[in-house]
Amino acid sequence: QSVLTQPPSASGTPGQWVTISCSGSSSNIGSKNVNWYQQLPGTAPKLLIYSNNQRPSGVPDRFSGSKSGTSASLAISGLQSEDEADYYCAAWDDSLNGGVFGGGTKLTVL
Amino acid sequence: QLQLQESGPGLVKPSETLSLTCTVFGGSISSTSYYWGWIRQPPGKGLEWIGSIYYTGTTYYNPSLKSRVTISVDTSENHFSLKLSSVTAADTAVYYCAIDHRATYGSWFDPWGQGTLVTVSS
Repeated sequence: QSVLTQPPSASGTPGQWVTISCSGSSSNIGSKNVNWYQQLPGTAPKLLIYSNNQRPSGVPDRFSGSKSGTSASLAISGLQSEDEADYYCAAWDDSLNGGVFGGGTKLTVL
Repeated sequence: QLQLQESGPGLVKPSETLSLTCTVFGGSISSTSYYWGWIRQPPGKGLEWIGSIYYTGTTYYNPSLKSRVTISVDTSENHFSLKLSSVTAADTAVYYCAIDHRATYGSWFDPWGQGTLVTVSS
């Protein structure tokens, strides 16, 4: 059981706009920044969004993040086939004094 | 460009200690800018933070693993290490090391090593 809650799956067609949600509590998302990671099949996770809505260099602006209260969202616009991957949200948790991840969302591009 | 690479045995017997090393390339592990972290991923499952260390030796551990985990740093070898004792099949996972960026309101991992699969089996 993950501390952060994500839907196990999401899907969309090429060109579509897709969102993935991440729900937490006051000890993590409610008071700390949220990060998102993309894991392509058979590879290591890659940082996609940090500090709620910041994109590292090289990440396309099709990817965006937002946070409100104890929930966060990852949005992908202009969905492409290469976006098919697992996506994880993460945050620091003050109660655990450690990092926590969501269970991951498998994105399928139909 | 900092890069990290995990190394260590791919097979560990139950009840024994898992030992992995993460070597840092392209920069110094003594940098005051970063922490250094371990994360694992059981086959077909999600990610779990194990712990992080600063070059001074300050450590943070996942409470669920704290009694079995030791993370250490060797500045002369530019690497940091993970030891997980009394392993069981539930500890079978891909183990990743990563740079842990700390900020006022949280932290993030970037970049990650390629990962190394450790199987616990007799």
